[in-house]
Amino acid sequence: KAGVTQTPRYLIKTRGQQVTLSCSPISGHRSVSWYQQTPGQGLQFLFEYFSETQRNKGNFPGRFSGRQFSNSRSEMNVSTLELGDSALYLCASSLSGPWDTEAFFGQGTRLTVV
Amino acid sequence: TQLLEQSPQFLSIQEGENLTVYCNSSSVFSSLQWYRQEPGEGPVLLVTVVTGGEVKKLKRLTFQFGDARKDSSLHITAAQPGDTGLYLCAGTSGTYKYIFGTGTRLKVLA
Repeated sequence: KAGVTQTPRYLIKTRGQQVTLSCSPISGHRSVSWYQQTPGQGLQFLFEYFSETQRNKGNFPGRFSGRQFSNSRSEMNVSTLELGDSALYLCASSLSGPWDTEAFFGQGTRLTVV
Repeated sequence: TQLLEQSPQFLSIQEGENLTVYCNSSSVFSSLQWYRQEPGEGPVLLVTVVTGGEVKKLKRLTFQFGDARKDSSLHITAAQPGDTGLYLCAGTSGTYKYIFGTGTRLKVLA
């Protein structure tokens, strides 16, 4: 079966701009989680959506937001980009949640803010 | 404050050696997972443990969840170059949602 697809793979944005990242989960998976990975802070949980509702949220500012559509595809938006937002953004899909025994990650979107 | 500390941070060993990676916390987790991540890829889930004291084996990998559900270990027997990667533990709890460990970067030399 097709895996988790994230688009785009690479992105360069200017400080102050906004960006939208997309995640298409595995067919049938209703949970999509988003993560930020940086060399300094490691992998951090941003938020999780289940059946179009944000169910869990990590400790990130309100500039980070997301949504999930009825087909379970999810988007993540970052407004007013800062240099520190440069990171690999990963999404994962699963049937019931990030703690699921069957959770799959995409390859990520590498965002560079200049 | 990192809630899940992994040790060691870096590990470079020869093919055929054994190794153990630790994941420790002062908090109790309802479940804990181990992932391996290779450069340019997303993490791949290796195992989920949910019961205190639980031991799971996956070929040459042995995972253990501490009795108090605050720590876990990953033991690799006869490491191979294909085991090279970043190993991450991740825990779930009602309070902290979903937390990843600090990571252990393993390099196995042929």
